[in-house]
Amino acid sequence: SAVISQKPSRDICQRGTSLTIQCQVDSQVTMMFWYRQQPGQSLTLIATANQGSEATYESGFVIDKFPISRPNLTFSTLTVSNMSPEDSSIYLCSVAATMSNEQFFGPGTRLTVL
Amino acid sequence: GESVGLHLPTLSVQEGDNSIINCAYSNSASDYFIWYKQESGKGPQFIIDIRSNMDKRQGQRVTVLLNKTVKHLSLQIAATQPGDSAVYFCAETNFGNEKLTFGTGTRLTIIP
Repeated sequence: SAVISQKPSRDICQRGTSLTIQCQVDSQVTMMFWYRQQPGQSLTLIATANQGSEATYESGFVIDKFPISRPNLTFSTLTVSNMSPEDSSIYLCSVAATMSNEQFFGPGTRLTVL
Repeated sequence: GESVGLHLPTLSVQEGDNSIINCAYSNSASDYFIWYKQESGKGPQFIIDIRSNMDKRQGQRVTVLLNKTVKHLSLQIAATQPGDSAVYFCAETNFGNEKLTFGTGTRLTIIP
């Protein structure tokens, strides 16, 4: 299994500002994923981040709004840019296990935008 | 796009009883299904998975049933315990493709 940590665990931000969320994994992984979970709802994939290449974004998500970095095989960041109250969500990173289809999730970052 | 959905958004079960959580999926091309458990303030945790060449798979106190004819997936939890209280999500994908499509979730509450 993989142990994943995220920073910050929660934050309250002002409209128009940006927040960068960090995801750290205790082992090297090829693929990392960023999800959004709006209040009381399910998880929606934002993008897939591979080390050494541009992130691949899902429909409805763009790089200008959610820039992602993947500098090495154990770390990734997601930035939520020019935030509005509609960006209030839990943001989760996950990694795929190397020998199975199992995905491991971080604890999430609870973002509130005022 | 195609989606994965659930029949019941909430479910309350007496402690010790069995619970069944249902999920309907619409993408007939999906061949791999996973159930996740999400406790308050935590990320989803893998419970059990099943591939489309099976119709039943058992784990510890949990069983997943897959009915491809009607595109239906269920999670059975036997002898429920207070620690089973959580939101349960089904997810679908194609085996080897790590991109998951999640269902809407069911909140399971175990009544002591």
